[in-house]
Amino acid sequence: NAGVTQTPKFQVLKTGQSMTLQCAQDMNHEYMSWYRQDPGMGLRLIHYSVGAGITDQGEVPNGYNVSRSTTEDFPLRLLSAAPSQTSVYFCASSYSLRGEQFFGPGTRLTVL
Amino acid sequence: QQPVQSPQAVILREGEDAVINCSSSKALYSVHWYRQKHGEAPVFLMILLKGGEQKGHEKISASFNEKKQQSSLYLTASQLSYSGTYFCGTAAGTYKYIFGTGTRLKVLA
Repeated sequence: NAGVTQTPKFQVLKTGQSMTLQCAQDMNHEYMSWYRQDPGMGLRLIHYSVGAGITDQGEVPNGYNVSRSTTEDFPLRLLSAAPSQTSVYFCASSYSLRGEQFFGPGTRLTVL
Repeated sequence: QQPVQSPQAVILREGEDAVINCSSSKALYSVHWYRQKHGEAPVFLMILLKGGEQKGHEKISASFNEKKQQSSLYLTASQLSYSGTYFCGTAAGTYKYIFGTGTRLKVLA
């Protein structure tokens, strides 16, 4: 099992550009989520999904969109990148909300 | 709403003990603990599901007091490999999951 995979590992964008961060898991987990982590800070929930076709907002959803068409994939879209979105993005999945969360390796995003 | 952890940071010598606390203003039904090493993703340590429950993982153990809405992580005879940032995490509402503020732990030789 690959677990949770994320691509790309690093990305540099210019202000106003859009892009999609990919996340996939092969553990048949229903619960998936996206977090951002700013330097020296904790993990803040951006969006989450409790199953295919079901998504909802977390603490910091502005500027991001998600969709979940399959159990395996949960991409995060940045609509119009801003320097404030410079961060490390982690995708995570778990069997249930109260289950152990498995994290992907992260995507380090810089917006110039 | 985010659980508050204390202390924010701690520096230890190898072999010393440490306690990290996690307090919530809302009811806790379960608590998870994670460790994140620098430049890496968080890794799950343990889950506590019942009030008063204690669990252990080698020389790392934890307690959960449902009444006080608190959990504590105990690191005994710390090793260099224990260095990192520790987060508690819990379900917030029906579907959301949130992490605590984090505690940076540095173990010196």
